[in-house]
Amino acid sequence: QSVLTQPPSASGTPGQRVTMSCSGSNSNIGSNYVYWYQQFPGTAPKLLIYKDNQRPPGVPDRFSGSKSGTSASLAISGLRSEDEADYSCAAWDGSLSALVFGGGTKLTVL
Amino acid sequence: QVTLRESGPALVRPTQTLTLTCTFSGFSLTTSPMCVSWIRQPPGRALEWLALIDWNDNKYYRTSLKSRLTISKDTPKNQVVLTMTNMDPVDTATYYCGRMLNRGLIEAVDYWGQGTLVTVSS
Repeated sequence: QSVLTQPPSASGTPGQRVTMSCSGSNSNIGSNYVYWYQQFPGTAPKLLIYKDNQRPPGVPDRFSGSKSGTSASLAISGLRSEDEADYSCAAWDGSLSALVFGGGTKLTVL
Repeated sequence: QVTLRESGPALVRPTQTLTLTCTFSGFSLTTSPMCVSWIRQPPGRALEWLALIDWNDNKYYRTSLKSRLTISKDTPKNQVVLTMTNMDPVDTATYYCGRMLNRGLIEAVDYWGQGTLVTVSS
């Protein structure tokens, strides 16, 4: 069972906007930065969002991150078929002195 | 350009010790705020952080695996080594190393290695 809670699945149609949540606690999301990763089967995670809402170079502005209290969200606008992947959130947990991950959300583009 | 690459055995027998090496470039693990972590992902399951070492040789371990893990760094070689003792089939996973930063707050992984699949089987 993951420390950060993510819905196991999400779906949308091309062009749609989808959001996925990541719920934690004061010791992780509430006091540290949230990172989001995109992962395709058989490949390493790719950094999508860092420091809650920052995009690395090369990540389209269709991807955006936000945080409020002990929860964070990833939004994808203008959904494309190539966005079909697993999305995971992560944050340092000061109480555990550990990096904690969500269980991942599998996004299906219908 | 930051790169990391994992290396180690693809197959380990139960009860054996696993030794994995992360060779990195594009940063130095001798200066703040650099850190390197090991993370694993069992097939079809979520990412699971294992251990972190920072530029000042501070080390953090996953509580449930602390007795089995040792992380160390070889600064001249730009390498971080993870050993895991008493391997079990449940430890079968893809093992990744990744760079992290500690700028007052410890941040998550910004660069990942490609990963190496380790299978534990007799």
